[in-house]
Amino acid sequence: QQQVKQSPQSLIVQKGGISIINCAYENTAFDYFPWYQQFPGKGPALLIAIRPDVSEKKEGRFTISFNKSAKQFSLHIMDSQPGDSATYFCAASPGGTASKLTFGTGTRLQVTL
Amino acid sequence: EPEVTQTPSHQVTQMGQEVILRCVPISNHLYFYWYRQILGQKVEFLVSFYNNEISEKSEIFDDQFSVERPDGSNFTLKIRSTKLEDSAMYFCASRIYGYTFGSGTRLTVV
Repeated sequence: QQQVKQSPQSLIVQKGGISIINCAYENTAFDYFPWYQQFPGKGPALLIAIRPDVSEKKEGRFTISFNKSAKQFSLHIMDSQPGDSATYFCAASPGGTASKLTFGTGTRLQVTL
Repeated sequence: EPEVTQTPSHQVTQMGQEVILRCVPISNHLYFYWYRQILGQKVEFLVSFYNNEISEKSEIFDDQFSVERPDGSNFTLKIRSTKLEDSAMYFCASRIYGYTFGSGTRLTVV
């Protein structure tokens, strides 16, 4: 019940295309859903996050869509660029003081020219 | 932009040896964490630390692991007797609202 399932495992998108990564969760106590971008040899860096009281959040080329009833959320990267090539992790955490993150299994995105 | 600093960036140790991984969290953050990532796998929670005590720990965080905040700035993870399967990237993170992760320490146990 603590798992966050992420797909696809890898994704190849042409420059200028839309990258879409999906995640699903079971634990209804989760109330914070961030996406992290990770480059090789670096730590995860927060990209964008959403709480379940909204269905969509947009920051620049990055959009999270959230479907509370389906317990699913997705990351859309518009106008994908080669510099977006990285591993993307969705995550979720419950409310509360400690709020540990449960990560998805990651999606390796490659944006080709 | 404030950073979480981890040292060393890479540590090689012999099986059975003790290692201490060091972190300097962001100064006004209140919550501190260790996560690990085995090569090519997802990031896994180890332990959270708040108000000078452990808030939560995972099943990975057994008696071989300990954390300490010995002064106002450092946050350490100690592994008493390392095993081969402890080889991973270890990430420190701190939080006041959103998380900030450090760049990690790559621990290689040989």
